[in-house]
Parts: sequence; C-alpha cells; structure tokens
Amino acid sequence: DSGVTQTPKHLITATGQRVTLRCSPRSGDLSVYWYQQSLDQGLQFLIQYYNGEERAKGNILERFSAQQFPDLHSELNLSSLELGDSALYFCASSVSAENIQYFGAGTRLSVL
Amino acid sequence: GENVEQHPSTLSVQEGDSAVIKCTYSDSASNYFPWYKQELGKGPQLIIDIRSNVGEKKDQRIAVTLNKTAKHFSLHITETQPEDSAVYFCAAKAIKAAGNKLTFGGGTRVLVKP
Repeated sequence: DSGVTQTPKHLITATGQRVTLRCSPRSGDLSVYWYQQSLDQGLQFLIQYYNGEERAKGNILERFSAQQFPDLHSELNLSSLELGDSALYFCASSVSAENIQYFGAGTRLSVL
Repeated sequence: GENVEQHPSTLSVQEGDSAVIKCTYSDSASNYFPWYKQELGKGPQLIIDIRSNVGEKKDQRIAVTLNKTAKHFSLHITETQPEDSAVYFCAAKAIKAAGNKLTFGGGTRVLVKP
C-alpha cells in the first residue's frame, strides 16, 4: 500500500457528463500529480500541484481541471466526457515538488 | 520535450533466467530515472531508481545501469520468479526550476514462466 488513496475505484458514466476524481496524498506529502493511462498512450502526465499551487502542466485537455485543497487532497474534474476519455487515472504524491512519486491504485473511468 | 522509448514491449522468460529491459531518452538534461512495476489492477510501484551521477545501482535481484553519453538506461532482473510477472515502466525526469514531470516509456509486459 503506497499510502495514496484514490476514490472511486471505478466510475461508469455517459458521454457529455462530468465527473470528479479524488486523491488523498500520503501523510506529509505536499505535492500531488495526476496521470492518465490508456491502452494506446501509456502513462501520460496531466498536472502537478504543490501545496495548493499549480506547479507543472502536461497535455491536459481544457475540458479537464484540477485543484489541491488546503488539506492537501486533490480533485480532478473531467467534463463534457467523450468515449476517448475512458482510461485509468492515477494520482501520485511526493514530499516536495521534486521527490520520488508514489502512486495510488487509480480510478478506472468508463465513458459509454 | 522529453521522449522515452522502451524495449521490448513484451518479454517472456523462464523462471530463474534473467530479464533485461532497455530505455532511451532524448533530453540530455534528464537526471533522474525511476523504474516502476505495475501489477494487474494496481498502481505503479517504484522498484528502483538511479540518478545521473551514478552509473549503476543494485537492490537484491534488481539492478539498473545508466549510460549518460548514449542516453540509455536498463533494468536487469536476475533469477526471475513468477511474482516478477508484471508490466514494467521506465521514466525520466529533468530537475528543473519548476515541476517534477515524469515522462514514461511505453511499458514492458514481463511474463515469467514456471
């Protein structure tokens, strides 16, 4: 167990809908990261937050947004969902903005 | 940006044999190279990492080598066991002023046959 908690484990929704994925980092970790894992794209970095502030951005779609709250948990919001958004979404956390990243078990999103 | 290529995409070995996975990276500024193991239904777990000031690192049956000049690094698993069956990912990262973005290779599915 990495200590990173992601909820829900599975999410099934329809095209056009909006969902929120939640991540609780390891105790003491200030930085959270979001990754998307699809069959044909591998693990793709989406965005990083450090102590509530956006730190780095990857190829995150405009339909997606994230935030990190004062208690350090993070949420990834996905809106206007398309079939191609179906994937595993992983959250990772690290102590600082530069340290080793520990991954959660992921949320499997299925868009029907 | 950084690009990481990983080979092979699948690897089947007999229990007890060695497995080698190779990765190349494009950004010469990259200086941190972790390897993750992902078992079915789980998130990636860090198994070993190496920084650019070191050429080789070993942890029991796992070793990683780094060739900065050639911009490639490899994972070596010796005396493979059935529990080594998983998908392995290499990654690279440049320590920059902002951000801690890991760029992953495409993954290698390892099957250890008993």
